[in-house]
Amino acid sequence: GQNIDQPTEMTATEGAIVQINCTYQTSGFNGLFWYQQHAGEAPTFLSYNVLDGLEEKGRFSSFLSRSKGYSYLLLKELQMKDSASYLCAPMDSNYQLIWGAGTKLIIKP
Amino acid sequence: GAVVSQHPSRVICKSGTSVKIECRSLDFQATTMFWYRQFPKQSLMLMATSNEGSKATYEQGVEKDKFLINHASLTLSTLTVTSAHPEDSSFYICSARAPGLAGGPQETQYFGPGTRLLVL
Repeated sequence: GQNIDQPTEMTATEGAIVQINCTYQTSGFNGLFWYQQHAGEAPTFLSYNVLDGLEEKGRFSSFLSRSKGYSYLLLKELQMKDSASYLCAPMDSNYQLIWGAGTKLIIKP
Repeated sequence: GAVVSQHPSRVICKSGTSVKIECRSLDFQATTMFWYRQFPKQSLMLMATSNEGSKATYEQGVEKDKFLINHASLTLSTLTVTSAHPEDSSFYICSARAPGLAGGPQETQYFGPGTRLLVL
């Protein structure tokens, strides 16, 4: 079967760094996406990894290990506006995104 | 680039009526669009995949006669919730597949802002 495993909720302090881990199992693999979803809003695209390694984009970085079925999203210099759910979504062999429940990140001052 | 719009953003209707939701890709052509539903504090649930010029592919458990999908052009897909009931109240989100856009990966899905449906 296909499944995603992420922590349900994480708490971090403003200005700090947080790493959100994701393990996945899919039928085939065509890359992994991270999306941010604020409460009551639709998801917005953050990053995409298809090769092993780290992709850095400003305060956000995403890492992928295909052999381990593992990815993480690293958020630096946390801001209050980063409070949101973060969705790890691998793409299977049919180019369908597989969605889990996401990780709710709470930022405290 | 890669902007997807949805209309309406919010709709309240009476039980038994039908509601149409539009999803448009504003600056790219989308041969494939997706319709999702999300209940509070739950994950996105794919309802159907909409391909331009052909019938939509529905996920298991989604009634195709209740959720009518039309993808008549490369920039527009519509979802009609027929004979809506209170249990259909949810957040409906569309996304469009945008292959090969500059600055982004292939096959990225960009989401519309969502439509909040409340059936009384």
